[in-house]
Amino acid sequence: DTAVSQTPKYLVTQMGNDKSIKCEQNLGHDTMYWYKQDSKKFLKIMFSYNNKELIINETVPNRFSPKSPDKAHLNLHINSLELGDSAVYFCASSPPVTVSFRNTQYFGPGTRLTVL
Amino acid sequence: GESVGLHLPTLSVQEGDNSIINCAYSNSASDYFIWYKQESGKGPQFIIDIRSNMDKRQGQRVTVLLNKTVKHLSLQIAATQPGDSAVYFCAENIGAGTALIFGKGTTLSVSS
Repeated sequence: DTAVSQTPKYLVTQMGNDKSIKCEQNLGHDTMYWYKQDSKKFLKIMFSYNNKELIINETVPNRFSPKSPDKAHLNLHINSLELGDSAVYFCASSPPVTVSFRNTQYFGPGTRLTVL
Repeated sequence: GESVGLHLPTLSVQEGDNSIINCAYSNSASDYFIWYKQESGKGPQFIIDIRSNMDKRQGQRVTVLLNKTVKHLSLQIAATQPGDSAVYFCAENIGAGTALIFGKGTTLSVSS
C-alpha cells in the first residue's frame, strides 16, 4: 500500500552502462516528477509529466530519458552512465490542479545510484 | 537563478526544547510553500504547507510562519523529540503542476 514506489532501491553499475529506474504511484495523481539529490542533499527537479506528457525538462543531459507509459508510471532511463550521475533519484507525484490548489508533492523512497 | 535557502545547515537541540528552522526565499512570485522532513535513507515527507495569503499555519506540534515582506519562512517544532531528527527542507512553488524549488536543508539533531 505504498503511495509512491520506486525500483530498485539501490543500483550499482559500471560507467558506460545503460540502466532504468521505475516509479509507480497509486494515488490517482496526474503529474509525476523526477528529482535528483546530490551528495550535499540538494534536491533539484529533472523532469515532470502531466497525463503522460512532458511538461518540465530542466537542463539535463539527453542521456536521461523519461518515459511515461500511463499516468501512474514514470520511468527514467539513463544511457552511458557517468561517475557524476551517482546520486539519489526521487520520484514524486501531485494531484490534479482541479482537485487541489496546493501543489503538494509526495515522494517515493528514492533510488541510490552508484556509478563505478 | 532564484532559489530557496536555509540559514543554518545544522541545528542541535535537547529533547523537549522548541526548534525553529529558518528559510529565506527570493522568488516573489512564489505562492505556495512546503516543509518536508527527510529521514536517513528515505524520501522527503510532507510536514506542513502554507499559501501566500496566510501568515501562519499550525499542525500537530508544528507551526509554519510566512513573512512575505522579508521573504522568510520558518518551521517551529514544539517539544522536539528524538524522532524529529532529520533533514528539513523548505520548498517554494509558483503554481500547481510546476516543480518545487528546494532549499539546501537543515539537519536537526535531537539529543536525549
